[in-house]
Amino acid sequence: GAVVSQHPSWVICKSGTSVKIECRSLDFQATTMFWYRQFPKQSLMLMATSNEGSKATYEQGVEKDKFLINHASLTLSTLTVTSAHPEDSSFYICSAGTSGGYNEQFFGPGTRLTVL
Amino acid sequence: RKEVEQDPGPFNVPEGATVAFNCTYSNSASQSFFWYRQDCRKEPKLLMSVYSSGNEDGRFTAQLNRASQYISLLIRDSKLSDSATYLCVVSPSYGKLTFGQGTILTVHP
Repeated sequence: GAVVSQHPSWVICKSGTSVKIECRSLDFQATTMFWYRQFPKQSLMLMATSNEGSKATYEQGVEKDKFLINHASLTLSTLTVTSAHPEDSSFYICSAGTSGGYNEQFFGPGTRLTVL
Repeated sequence: RKEVEQDPGPFNVPEGATVAFNCTYSNSASQSFFWYRQDCRKEPKLLMSVYSSGNEDGRFTAQLNRASQYISLLIRDSKLSDSATYLCVVSPSYGKLTFGQGTILTVHP
């Protein structure tokens, strides 16, 4: 199956700093990438949909100026959590969809963010 | 009402047991349906897609009832390795996935 990587796998930062998370599709071209967030004991919540070369589409309640998404190539999307605060501590997971018409997404291994 | 609702669980079953999970969804226009499994502190992995005709993959059987907006997953002959959180996932439109809150399954010796 298709492989998606994320980097870093975990990060601890101080409140007020910015954190960048990378999501890469390793063996296929991903025209669309998705960013999810999962708080403890809760399910994944879609934050935004990112299409290569265009602006991301954010879900209701997700601040686009706080969660900056860049999808500059068909294999890389980045999520930057700006001015992170403890309430941003979560498990961030990206996924990538292929353009073959089959509605399957391949998930990255996730990034665990802890903001002190 | 949540878009996707699942049995709250947790389910604790012995090896060899048969266990069934249920799920309902609110958007009648949903197009695709899936079951994912998620191990602790890992990403979700696709278990199987769900079709109106029902589908089976080894010990796993999934059913979809569009009229009732109901999805089920049956696991037969449970193994210890089946212990995980099972996520019911609905796609309201192409590319977008909505996850249920998950049901925790623990299979014990």
